[in-house]
Amino acid sequence: GENVEQHPSTLSVQEGDSAVIKCTYSDSASNYFPWYKQELGKGPQLIIDIRSNVGEKKDQRIAVTLNKTAKHFSLHITETQPEDSAVYFCAAQSTGGFKTIFGAGTRLFVKA
Amino acid sequence: GAVVSQHPSRVICKSGTSVKIECRSLDFQATTMFWYRQFPKQSLMLMATSNEGSKATYEQGVEKDKFLINHASLTLSTLTVTSAHPEDSSFYICSASPTGGGTDTQYFGPGTRLTVL
Repeated sequence: GENVEQHPSTLSVQEGDSAVIKCTYSDSASNYFPWYKQELGKGPQLIIDIRSNVGEKKDQRIAVTLNKTAKHFSLHITETQPEDSAVYFCAAQSTGGFKTIFGAGTRLFVKA
Repeated sequence: GAVVSQHPSRVICKSGTSVKIECRSLDFQATTMFWYRQFPKQSLMLMATSNEGSKATYEQGVEKDKFLINHASLTLSTLTVTSAHPEDSSFYICSASPTGGGTDTQYFGPGTRLTVL
């Protein structure tokens, strides 16, 4: 069945450094790729998304890249801050089926 | 915009009782809402897709008679955990997708932590 793999499971960086989280998906029909940030005890918050007709999207310190041929997409956070510490989930979705498949999550620690 | 609320945020109940969780889209209409379950340090597991005015679609392994879903309006879906047992203790999260507008983005609620004693 459809699957989304996410790496790494844990990532620790120094404040100011960059963080990169990578995901791969299996369903070639997937055409929408959101990223969510989840803080402890809260629901996931959409931070950025990308559609299959775009290779890269940036929003301030956050960027997402998509390689549809290789079925890879990545989240890049630059100039990390302690408040970036959270669990990040990637997801893949096909518009027709409307079903979203989530990655296992990456726990990001930003050390001050 | 795109705010989803859940109520209650936290509930503790005795084994055998039923618990209802509400999910509301506050500033948009949602034909489709989703219910997820999340265990500690794990990803979100889709339980069911809730469609306004029709029966919910349950994922494999999710008992529809145990997890009753009602989506009576374009802004409200409810999940009722019937005859709850300790193994039902979990973090339940809903999400909603705005109707129309060509978007399939899901906006998540803050979650409900259920503890069954």
